[in-house]
Amino acid sequence: RKEVEQDPGPFNVPEGATVAFNCTYSNSASQSFFWYRQDCRKEPKLLMSVYSSGNEDGRFTAQLNRASQYISLLIRDSKLSDSATYLCAVNTNAGKSTFGDGTTLTVKP
Amino acid sequence: DAGVTQSPTHLIKTRGQQVTLRCSPKSGHDTVSWYQQALGQGPQFIFQYYEEEERQRGNFPDRFSGHQFPNYSSELNVNALLLGDSALYLCASSSGPPGTEAFFGQGTRLTVV
Repeated sequence: RKEVEQDPGPFNVPEGATVAFNCTYSNSASQSFFWYRQDCRKEPKLLMSVYSSGNEDGRFTAQLNRASQYISLLIRDSKLSDSATYLCAVNTNAGKSTFGDGTTLTVKP
Repeated sequence: DAGVTQSPTHLIKTRGQQVTLRCSPKSGHDTVSWYQQALGQGPQFIFQYYEEEERQRGNFPDRFSGHQFPNYSSELNVNALLLGDSALYLCASSSGPPGTEAFFGQGTRLTVV
């Protein structure tokens, strides 16, 4: 079993839809959590950090559930430009960083 | 303010050869991490350098080694290249305590033939 697992994709949604991704992790020593966005053949770009209290950035909301060891990303009012692969990353305080394999989102007109 | 820069962007090597990839961190960052990303997979953590020392290492063989210089830039060396080493190699930089958010360079696409 992988240390970080993400929802299998792809997700194909119409513009304006709300879509949610989940990511589970197995290392209970994990301390910090992030969502990255990666466009085809490009580098991952940091989308947002994930805090226990939950955090929101415009149409994007991230949440962390430490008890169940999962993080989530909610995208509201999807745009065509949101089409990408979304990667979750889980870091330990020792510096080790583990990524999921990503979930591909395609937003269609 | 330059972000993370990597060189070269593309590289073709023959099986058995050695390769060196380079990374300059974002201004103000002192920590560099290296990742290998195969097609269709997430980035796999190779190692992290801080204060010119390897602070953490992932599950990669000793053929993968690195170095960090006093100016915080870093190199990734891979010896005895295998076909399976073909991948996108990403460098990410960060600052502050371990586990803080990291920013990626554009990567080096290595093809081993």
